[in-house]
Amino acid sequence: KQEVTQIPAALSVPEGENLVLNCSFTDSAIYNLQWFRQDPGKGLTSLLLIQSSQREQTSGRLNASLDKSSGRSTLYIAASQPGDSATYLCAVTNDYKLSFGAGTTVTVRA
Amino acid sequence: DGGITQSPKYLFRKEGQNVTLSCEQNLNHDAMYWYRQDPGQGLRLIYYSQIVNDFQKGDIAEGYSVSREKKESFPLTVTSAQKNPTAFYLCASSMTGTTDTQYFGPGTRLTVL
Repeated sequence: KQEVTQIPAALSVPEGENLVLNCSFTDSAIYNLQWFRQDPGKGLTSLLLIQSSQREQTSGRLNASLDKSSGRSTLYIAASQPGDSATYLCAVTNDYKLSFGAGTTVTVRA
Repeated sequence: DGGITQSPKYLFRKEGQNVTLSCEQNLNHDAMYWYRQDPGQGLRLIYYSQIVNDFQKGDIAEGYSVSREKKESFPLTVTSAQKNPTAFYLCASSMTGTTDTQYFGPGTRLTVL
């Protein structure tokens, strides 16, 4: 059974600092990995999707890397802003389903 | 304006009652999903459907039922057999199977009184 872990559970940084969020998974036979953002009481917004054949994916200030063999992904957010405060979840696809981590809650202090 | 809608946003239920959560999408997606989210935990898959008139159990299907009579709609019924139904319920859809990006609705918060 796929297990997805995100450490730390919470993170607080001053505005302007770069954010590094970690995700690890136990079964490396994945189709892809996705990073999502969730604001309090809201649904999830897809940020980046990395196919299993890719090493990284970039969108604006966001960059996600994937090391499938070691079962790790890292989401980098450059020059953080208060608007980046949210919970970030990673999810991996095996067979028919998505398995989610519990998320990292980020607070960016102005 | 394309997207996924869920209703109601908040739902209160007495013990022993069945309730139905609505999920509608106008993205022309074939696949739809229901997840449950509890505090401090990742999302867990309840049911999914890859095509009309067909659906499969996820990891925690006990106490829930679904139907997929139309491509746009995938309602979830929380039955009285679900022992701990208080949670945040999220519906999602994707173009085809689970290897595609999933798009999520705004969620329904169910509280059992």
